[in-house]
Amino acid sequence: SYELTQPPSVSVSPGQTARITCSGDALPGKYAYWYQQKSGQAPVLVIYEDTKRPSGIPERFSGSSSGTMATLTISGAQVADEADYYCYSTDSTFHHRGFFGGGTKVTVL
Amino acid sequence: QVHLVQSGAEVKKPGASVKVSCKIPGHSISDFSMHWVRHLVGKGLEWMGGFEPEDGDAILPQKFQGRVTLTEDTDTDTAYMELRNLRSEDTALYFCAAGRERSKNYLDPPHYWGPGTQVTVSS
Repeated sequence: SYELTQPPSVSVSPGQTARITCSGDALPGKYAYWYQQKSGQAPVLVIYEDTKRPSGIPERFSGSSSGTMATLTISGAQVADEADYYCYSTDSTFHHRGFFGGGTKVTVL
Repeated sequence: QVHLVQSGAEVKKPGASVKVSCKIPGHSISDFSMHWVRHLVGKGLEWMGGFEPEDGDAILPQKFQGRVTLTEDTDTDTAYMELRNLRSEDTALYFCAAGRERSKNYLDPPHYWGPGTQVTVSS
């Protein structure tokens, strides 16, 4: 079964840069998506198709992808950015089955 | 604006079934790829499947094949997820999520999310 691997946690001081990685064998041919989820709430899309930012998402959120790894970067992290972050992609089959990474808890303090 | 509305919380006994509904007010459900995702207590997000309106296909991971049915009623513009043979481990917050409206992508990934429906399985 296909897997996306994320670090369980990332800690950063306010104003510093947080980088969250997501690795998967099928990523070279598939887009990565990133979701922010705060406790008990619905996820929010922060990056789609590797690098694109939906309207309303602050510019400090950016995405990149190279080879088998996608990265979400939060430049100048704020306390409000504390949340769980999940990457999502699809497997290499025709039917585009979806997979989430295990999630990364970002702490800003 | 695309807002998803889901049915209310459910409490079920082990072995029972649950059917969660999802609507997008002001929009036709068939203009969106629909996904179902659950968040288990203390764990991460789990993709349960997606419904592609172009060909009416329900795409499910192997884990849920035989236990999950995804359907859409175009008369009422409602998407449904039914989970059968419930176990205590199915206690979770269940989300519907939609891809972009009229996307040309097959099973466009989730862009918009519903608020979640709590399903509790307890004897």
